[in-house]
Amino acid sequence: GAVVSQHPSWVICKSGTSVKIECRSLDFQATTMFWYRQFPKQSLMLMATSNEGSKATYEQGVEKDKFLINHASLTLSTLTVTSAHPEDSSFYICSAMTGNQPQHFGDGTRLSIL
Amino acid sequence: TQLLEQSPQFLSIQEGENLTVYCNSSSVFSSLQWYRQEPGEGPVLLVTVVTGGEVKKLKRLTFQFGDARKDSSLHITAAQPGDTGLYLCAFSNDYKLSFGAGTTVTVRA
Repeated sequence: GAVVSQHPSWVICKSGTSVKIECRSLDFQATTMFWYRQFPKQSLMLMATSNEGSKATYEQGVEKDKFLINHASLTLSTLTVTSAHPEDSSFYICSAMTGNQPQHFGDGTRLSIL
Repeated sequence: TQLLEQSPQFLSIQEGENLTVYCNSSSVFSSLQWYRQEPGEGPVLLVTVVTGGEVKKLKRLTFQFGDARKDSSLHITAAQPGDTGLYLCAFSNDYKLSFGAGTTVTVRA
Protein backbone atom coordinates (compact mmCIF):
# COMPACT_ATOMS: atom_id res chain seq x y z
CA GLY A 1 0.00 0.00 0.00
CA ALA A 2 0.82 3.72 0.10
CA VAL A 3 1.97 4.05 -3.49
CA VAL A 4 2.82 7.44 -4.94
CA SER A 5 3.18 7.77 -8.69
CA GLN A 6 4.92 10.57 -10.57
CA HIS A 7 4.59 11.36 -14.23
CA PRO A 8 6.52 11.81 -16.38
CA SER A 9 9.62 10.09 -15.07
CA TRP A 10 11.84 11.94 -17.52
CA VAL A 11 11.34 15.01 -19.65
CA ILE A 12 13.57 17.05 -21.94
CA CYS A 13 12.37 20.37 -23.27
CA LYS A 14 13.60 23.61 -24.76
CA SER A 15 14.41 26.65 -22.70
CA GLY A 16 11.42 28.93 -22.24
CA THR A 17 8.76 26.23 -22.25
CA SER A 18 6.60 25.20 -19.32
CA VAL A 19 6.59 21.69 -17.93
CA LYS A 20 3.92 20.04 -15.78
CA ILE A 21 4.72 17.18 -13.42
CA GLU A 22 1.97 15.12 -11.83
CA CYS A 23 2.02 13.41 -8.45
CA ARG A 24 -0.71 10.91 -7.59
CA SER A 25 -1.42 8.91 -4.48
CA LEU A 26 -2.77 5.66 -5.93
CA ASP A 27 -4.24 3.86 -2.94
CA PHE A 28 -4.81 6.50 -0.30
CA GLN A 29 -6.07 10.03 0.03
CA ALA A 30 -3.28 12.49 0.64
CA THR A 31 -4.18 15.43 2.83
CA THR A 32 -0.75 16.92 2.22
CA MET A 33 1.73 16.64 -0.62
CA PHE A 34 5.26 17.92 -0.74
CA TRP A 35 7.56 18.86 -3.61
CA TYR A 36 11.33 18.48 -3.38
CA ARG A 37 14.21 19.27 -5.70
CA GLN A 38 17.44 17.33 -5.77
CA PHE A 39 20.55 18.37 -7.66
CA PRO A 40 23.22 15.77 -8.60
CA LYS A 41 25.18 14.44 -5.62
CA GLN A 42 23.04 16.51 -3.24
CA SER A 43 20.23 15.88 -0.82
CA LEU A 44 16.55 16.63 -1.18
CA MET A 45 15.50 20.20 -0.58
CA LEU A 46 11.87 20.95 0.22
CA MET A 47 10.35 23.41 -2.22
CA ALA A 48 6.75 23.62 -1.08
CA THR A 49 3.95 22.03 0.89
CA SER A 50 0.52 21.70 -0.61
CA ASN A 51 -2.79 20.90 1.04
CA GLU A 52 -5.82 19.93 -0.95
CA GLY A 53 -7.99 22.87 -1.84
CA SER A 54 -5.66 25.56 -0.51
CA LYS A 55 -2.66 27.51 -1.73
CA ALA A 56 0.74 25.92 -1.46
CA THR A 57 3.24 27.12 1.11
CA TYR A 58 6.64 27.76 -0.43
CA GLU A 59 10.00 27.50 1.28
CA GLN A 60 12.23 30.52 1.45
CA GLY A 61 13.97 31.21 -1.84
CA VAL A 62 11.51 29.26 -3.99
CA GLU A 63 9.69 31.44 -6.51
CA LYS A 64 5.97 30.73 -6.33
CA ASP A 65 5.34 32.31 -9.74
CA LYS A 66 7.90 30.07 -11.35
CA PHE A 67 6.91 26.83 -9.64
CA LEU A 68 3.13 26.67 -9.77
CA ILE A 69 1.56 24.05 -7.54
CA ASN A 70 -2.02 22.88 -7.78
CA HIS A 71 -3.55 20.37 -5.38
CA ALA A 72 -7.05 20.05 -6.76
CA SER A 73 -7.96 16.69 -5.24
CA LEU A 74 -6.90 14.39 -2.43
CA THR A 75 -5.04 12.17 -4.88
CA LEU A 76 -3.39 14.62 -7.28
CA SER A 77 -0.94 17.48 -7.05
CA THR A 78 0.81 19.09 -9.99
CA LEU A 79 3.98 21.14 -10.23
CA THR A 80 4.39 23.37 -13.27
CA VAL A 81 7.82 24.80 -13.97
CA THR A 82 7.06 27.92 -15.98
CA SER A 83 9.44 29.38 -18.56
CA ALA A 84 12.00 26.75 -17.66
CA HIS A 85 15.70 27.48 -18.10
CA PRO A 86 18.77 25.21 -17.94
CA GLU A 87 19.34 26.08 -14.28
CA ASP A 88 15.94 24.52 -13.52
CA SER A 89 17.26 21.15 -14.66
CA SER A 90 17.03 18.85 -11.66
CA PHE A 91 15.38 15.79 -10.17
CA TYR A 92 11.95 16.73 -8.82
CA ILE A 93 10.39 14.41 -6.24
CA CYS A 94 6.97 14.53 -4.65
CA SER A 95 5.72 12.88 -1.51
CA ALA A 96 2.28 12.40 -0.03
CA MET A 97 0.98 11.81 3.43
CA THR A 98 -2.28 11.35 5.25
CA GLY A 99 -2.89 12.16 8.88
CA ASN A 100 0.27 11.73 10.90
CA GLN A 101 1.60 8.85 8.82
CA PRO A 102 5.10 8.99 7.26
CA GLN A 103 5.52 10.61 3.88
CA HIS A 104 5.58 8.27 0.90
CA PHE A 105 7.74 9.33 -2.00
CA GLY A 106 7.27 9.12 -5.73
CA ASP A 107 10.07 7.92 -7.98
CA GLY A 108 10.91 11.40 -9.16
CA THR A 109 10.98 13.27 -12.46
CA ARG A 110 14.26 14.00 -14.20
CA LEU A 111 13.88 17.40 -15.88
CA SER A 112 16.44 18.49 -18.45
CA ILE A 113 16.16 21.92 -20.04
CA LEU A 114 18.19 22.48 -23.20
CA THR B 1 17.49 26.39 12.73
CA GLN B 2 17.99 22.70 13.22
CA LEU B 3 20.68 21.23 11.01
CA LEU B 4 21.68 17.65 10.41
CA GLU B 5 25.28 16.80 9.62
CA GLN B 6 25.97 13.50 7.95
CA SER B 7 29.31 11.79 7.62
CA PRO B 8 31.08 10.55 5.72
CA GLN B 9 29.88 12.05 2.45
CA PHE B 10 31.16 9.10 0.43
CA LEU B 11 31.97 5.54 1.42
CA SER B 12 33.33 2.84 -0.85
CA ILE B 13 33.91 -0.61 0.57
CA GLN B 14 34.40 -4.19 -0.49
CA GLU B 15 31.58 -6.71 -0.26
CA GLY B 16 31.55 -8.34 3.18
CA GLU B 17 32.96 -5.34 5.05
CA ASN B 18 31.07 -3.35 7.64
CA LEU B 19 30.24 0.35 7.48
CA THR B 20 28.78 3.05 9.69
CA VAL B 21 27.09 6.30 8.72
CA TYR B 22 26.64 9.08 11.24
CA CYS B 23 24.03 11.79 11.61
CA ASN B 24 24.67 14.56 14.14
CA SER B 25 23.11 17.79 15.31
CA SER B 26 23.36 20.27 18.13
CA SER B 27 19.58 20.13 18.47
CA VAL B 28 17.40 17.58 20.20
CA PHE B 29 14.94 15.72 18.01
CA SER B 30 11.71 14.02 18.90
CA SER B 31 12.53 11.45 16.22
CA LEU B 32 14.86 10.78 13.33
CA GLN B 33 14.28 8.88 10.16
CA TRP B 34 16.66 7.01 7.87
CA TYR B 35 16.06 6.64 4.16
CA ARG B 36 17.81 4.89 1.30
CA GLN B 37 17.62 6.28 -2.22
CA GLU B 38 18.75 4.51 -5.37
CA PRO B 39 19.66 6.45 -8.52
CA GLY B 40 16.62 7.67 -10.42
CA GLU B 41 14.21 6.78 -7.64
CA GLY B 42 12.63 8.43 -4.63
CA PRO B 43 13.86 7.78 -1.08
CA VAL B 44 12.46 4.80 0.79
CA LEU B 45 11.95 4.95 4.55
CA LEU B 46 14.07 2.40 6.40
CA VAL B 47 13.32 3.21 10.02
CA THR B 48 12.15 5.86 12.47
CA VAL B 49 13.91 6.12 15.84
CA VAL B 50 12.06 7.84 18.62
CA THR B 51 13.45 6.95 22.04
CA GLY B 52 16.86 8.09 23.28
CA GLY B 53 19.24 5.11 23.37
CA GLU B 54 16.99 3.12 21.08
CA VAL B 55 18.49 0.43 18.86
CA LYS B 56 16.56 -0.98 15.93
CA LYS B 57 17.62 -3.78 13.64
CA LEU B 58 16.51 -4.41 10.09
CA LYS B 59 18.28 -7.57 8.89
CA ARG B 60 21.93 -6.50 8.51
CA LEU B 61 21.18 -2.84 9.30
CA THR B 62 21.40 -1.54 12.87
CA PHE B 63 20.13 1.92 13.75
CA GLN B 64 20.94 3.73 16.98
CA PHE B 65 19.50 6.90 18.44
CA GLY B 66 21.77 8.71 20.87
CA ASP B 67 20.78 8.95 24.51
CA ALA B 68 20.40 12.71 24.19
CA ARG B 69 18.46 12.36 20.93
CA LYS B 70 20.94 14.58 19.09
CA ASP B 71 22.66 11.95 16.99
CA SER B 72 22.03 8.69 15.22
CA SER B 73 24.02 6.05 13.38
CA LEU B 74 23.38 3.43 10.77
CA HIS B 75 25.61 0.35 10.78
CA ILE B 76 25.59 -2.22 8.00
CA THR B 77 27.13 -5.60 8.68
CA ALA B 78 28.65 -7.67 5.87
CA ALA B 79 27.67 -5.18 3.20
CA GLN B 80 26.48 -6.45 -0.15
CA PRO B 81 26.40 -4.74 -3.58
CA GLY B 82 22.64 -4.40 -3.15
CA ASP B 83 23.28 -2.04 -0.23
CA THR B 84 24.71 0.52 -2.65
CA GLY B 85 22.78 3.77 -2.55
CA LEU B 86 22.39 7.20 -0.98
CA TYR B 87 21.59 7.00 2.73
CA LEU B 88 19.79 10.00 4.19
CA CYS B 89 18.84 10.92 7.72
CA ALA B 90 15.99 13.34 8.25
CA PHE B 91 13.96 14.97 10.99
CA SER B 92 10.37 16.05 10.92
CA ASN B 93 9.22 19.46 12.03
CA ASP B 94 5.53 20.19 11.72
CA TYR B 95 5.29 17.33 9.18
CA LYS B 96 7.99 18.87 6.99
CA LEU B 97 11.10 16.77 6.48
CA SER B 98 14.60 18.21 6.55
CA PHE B 99 17.28 15.94 5.20
CA GLY B 100 20.96 15.62 5.93
CA ALA B 101 23.39 15.94 3.03
CA GLY B 102 23.45 12.18 2.55
CA THR B 103 26.10 9.49 2.40
CA THR B 104 26.77 7.80 -0.92
CA VAL B 105 27.63 4.18 -0.22
CA THR B 106 29.22 1.99 -2.87
CA VAL B 107 29.74 -1.70 -2.16
CA ARG B 108 32.11 -3.36 -4.62
CA ALA B 109 31.65 -7.00 -5.51
